[in-house]
Amino acid sequence: DTAVSQTPKYLVTQMGNDKSIKCEQNLGHDTMYWYKQDSKKFLKIMFSYNNKELIINETVPNRFSPKSPDKAHLNLHINSLELGDSAVYFCASSLGQSNQPQHFGDGTRLSIL
Amino acid sequence: AQSVTQLGSHVSVSEGALVLLRCNYSSSVPPYLFWYVQYPNQGLQLLLKYTSAATLVKGINGFEAEFKKSETSFHLTKPSAHMSDAAEYFCAVSGDNTDKLIFGTGTRLQVFP
Repeated sequence: DTAVSQTPKYLVTQMGNDKSIKCEQNLGHDTMYWYKQDSKKFLKIMFSYNNKELIINETVPNRFSPKSPDKAHLNLHINSLELGDSAVYFCASSLGQSNQPQHFGDGTRLSIL
Repeated sequence: AQSVTQLGSHVSVSEGALVLLRCNYSSSVPPYLFWYVQYPNQGLQLLLKYTSAATLVKGINGFEAEFKKSETSFHLTKPSAHMSDAAEYFCAVSGDNTDKLIFGTGTRLQVFP
C-alpha cells in the first residue's frame, strides 16, 4: 500500500496551460505539504494544510492554488504555466508536529515546453 | 530563523569504506533534525531523526548520526558503504514554532566498486 501517492508521475505541457497534480495519503495524518525541487535538487516548501486549513504559504505566486477537500487529500492547481515552473513537485504528510517526520510521495515531474 | 548547511555536494567512497556526510545547523531554538535519502526518480525516505532524546541516533540501512550541540552538527555516518547506498542525502531542521522542514542543499553519494 502506497502511503502518499501523487498523480500524475510525469506532466509535460506547454507554457500558458493550466494543470493539476493530485495527492492522497492513507496514513491518517492531519497535515499535508507541497514542496518544489528544482533542477539543482534544492527542496523548498510551498504550502502546508492542517485539517483542510492553510497553515503555510511560502510566498508562492498566486498562480499556484492548493485545495484540500479533506484531510487525506491535497491537490495543487497551477494556472498559466511558465518555464520556471519546471521542477519536481513533492507531496508529503505528517502528524503536524515539528518533531514528527514527514512522509513523501514519489513526486510529479513537471516539464514546460 | 533556522538553516542547514551540507558541506560537500558530492562525496565518493569505495565499497566497504566509511561514509561521512556533513550537516551543520543554525537554530535559535532546540532543533529537531532529520536525514532523508532520495534514490533516483523517487521521493524522500526518512533515514533517522533527532528529537532531543539520545544524541546518537540509529537509523535504517546501517546509518547513524550524532547530535553535537557544541558543534551545531548532525553528521551522518555508516561504517561500510554498499553500492546500494548511492543516492542523494538531505539534512533537514524544524522546530522554530512550526513543523516546516528546512532542507540543506543535499549531498550526492557515489559508491565505487
